[in-house]
Amino acid sequence: AQTVTQSQPEMSVQEAETVTLSCTYDTSENNYYLFWYKQPPSRQMILVIRQEAYKQQNATENRFSVNFQKAAKSFSLKISDSQLGDTAMYFCAFMDSGGGADGLTFGKGTHLIIQP
Amino acid sequence: EPEVTQTPSHQVTQMGQEVILRCVPISNHLYFYWYRQILGQKVEFLVSFYNNEISEKSEIFDDQFSVERPDGSNFTLKIRSTKLEDSAMYFCASRPSWVPYEQYFGPGTRLTVT
Repeated sequence: AQTVTQSQPEMSVQEAETVTLSCTYDTSENNYYLFWYKQPPSRQMILVIRQEAYKQQNATENRFSVNFQKAAKSFSLKISDSQLGDTAMYFCAFMDSGGGADGLTFGKGTHLIIQP
Repeated sequence: EPEVTQTPSHQVTQMGQEVILRCVPISNHLYFYWYRQILGQKVEFLVSFYNNEISEKSEIFDDQFSVERPDGSNFTLKIRSTKLEDSAMYFCASRPSWVPYEQYFGPGTRLTVT
């Protein structure tokens, strides 16, 4: 079974700063997907960014980028120029790409607070 | 933009009662999922559903849970005899067959068991 570990329960940074959220995972699979989801106070789950394990290039979506280290099983999220609206819970998630119906395995989350 | 919808947004029930949580997936999606998030904890996978049958289920999804697609639009999660520990946020998600990684989440139903 896969496990996802987020070792930072809470982080706080000043607006406009850059912040990195860490995530490690454990799997015996070679092909899989990794995700970062954002959950604001409304509790809606919003996909931030996705990484396919077979791709060496790190995914980027505007101010959000990842540092994917497959050998180390590490998948960190970097938020540049942080904004007040980035305040939320952030969940790292894993999905095996071998089966089309697999569910997502989530970490416990990091509560990110952006201070004005 | 199409979205997954869930009803009700908040359900309060007494212990031992049956509840049905409803989801309307995006219309051309064929894979459906239920997840649970106990307050302050991580999101946990419950079950996936495809072609009118369960594809995969977690250890949490025991005999008190069931899922159904009663018609062409709804996808339901039934809890037969609710327990206090079933109090949680329940998320429905769906995805199209041609995009294996793109699960779209609904806004969730908060279930409170008293």
